[in-house]
Amino acid sequence: NAGVTQTPKFQVLKTGQSMTLQCAQDMNHEYMSWYRQDPGMGLRLIHYSVGAGITDQGEVPNGYNVSRSTTEDFPLRLLSAAPSQTSVYFCASSYSGGRAEAFFGQGTRLTVV
Amino acid sequence: KQEVTQIPAALSVPEGENLVLNCSFTDSAIYNLQWFRQDPGKGLTSLLLIQSSQREQTSGRLNASLDKSSGRSTLYIAASQPGDSATYLCAVGGNNAGNNRKLIWGLGTSLGVNP
Repeated sequence: NAGVTQTPKFQVLKTGQSMTLQCAQDMNHEYMSWYRQDPGMGLRLIHYSVGAGITDQGEVPNGYNVSRSTTEDFPLRLLSAAPSQTSVYFCASSYSGGRAEAFFGQGTRLTVV
Repeated sequence: KQEVTQIPAALSVPEGENLVLNCSFTDSAIYNLQWFRQDPGKGLTSLLLIQSSQREQTSGRLNASLDKSSGRSTLYIAASQPGDSATYLCAVGGNNAGNNRKLIWGLGTSLGVNP
């Protein structure tokens, strides 16, 4: 089983460039989310989605856009990359009901120079 | 606002020891609590999930307990092995329709088990 798949695993961007981090899950989970992990700050929620066509902001949404056109995919777009967006990004998914155990992708390590 | 604290921040033990990692949270109105393991440069692996109505969960050498009233959870690792070396993260799920899947995270405990 693939679980949650993130691409790319590593990326270097120049300030001002844009890019999309891909996330796909094959577990038919309704809930998907994006986190960033920074040293000393833990994981922080960027955006989340409770189902196809529905997205909402998390704790640190500025500079990021998301869309959810299908249940499987939840891409994260960096509009104009800044050095402050250098981080490790994780995508997660879970069912909305029941146990709601969260499953994570392997992460994308992004460096903005 | 929910805050999650993990103590200690780092721990080093000899192989074979039993150990306890602690997680505390400020708001007892939670949906669930999950313990994760993170290896360097890798993603997060779910270890145990405790629903708010449960007191503990066990998986192999791992046992997690939950005391909502005191805002505490512990992760007990029995007979530790070098392969247990990793960072252990605690995450709490909020308890309302809009927030029950939003996880609030501790900073983790970095565990080293020495052969």
